[in-house]
Amino acid sequence: EIVMTQSPATLSASPGERATLSCRASQSVKSDLAWYQQRPGQPPRLLIHDASTRATGIPARFSGSGSGTEFTLTISSLQSEDFAVYYCQQYSNWPPFTFGPGTKVDIK
Amino acid sequence: DVYLLESGGGLVQPGGSLRLSCVASGFTFSDYAMTWVRQAPGQGLEWVSAISGSSESTFYADSVKGRFTISRDNSRNTVYLEMNSLRADDTAVYFCAKPIVATMCPDYWGQGTLVTVSS
Repeated sequence: EIVMTQSPATLSASPGERATLSCRASQSVKSDLAWYQQRPGQPPRLLIHDASTRATGIPARFSGSGSGTEFTLTISSLQSEDFAVYYCQQYSNWPPFTFGPGTKVDIK
Repeated sequence: DVYLLESGGGLVQPGGSLRLSCVASGFTFSDYAMTWVRQAPGQGLEWVSAISGSSESTFYADSVKGRFTISRDNSRNTVYLEMNSLRADDTAVYFCAKPIVATMCPDYWGQGTLVTVSS
């Protein structure tokens, strides 16, 4: 099973700041990596798939990079609606599909 | 527009059973595998099960293997999750999700249905 880790667990930032979230896989997942945003009481929302492709309707301030075992989600300028929990997920080697534990982005 | 609507959650005693349903619309249902993901209260996301478009292949997390059964009825655009021998640690919101075509990356998710296992 591929184990996904994320850092930091919590990121405190102010609106307008840049946020950088990291995700690491225990073995290569090539570019089969997705990022999700989850707000309280809501289902996950797909932001990025294939490591760097924005999903339909996702603003350009969200960008993804990386391949193999190291991945990054960057939010270029935090908006109020971006304060949420972010998960990475690999879909390269399954079953099982595995998620990271999440990074909570909260307001400083 | 794609819509996924789960139902069937509720309170059940340990050892009990429950069947979840997820009705889909807005896409050609039989062309897509479908998956269930759960989230325990205050916790992260855990993949539970997946089924191919034709029902030929099914997959399960080790934590539910032998207790849960995934199935689908393409004539009703519905995927099911039959859950038996439920335990307290099965308590979670259960989401169904549709993947991007030709991948298993979920792009659309339902709102979820809460399953509570408690005496």
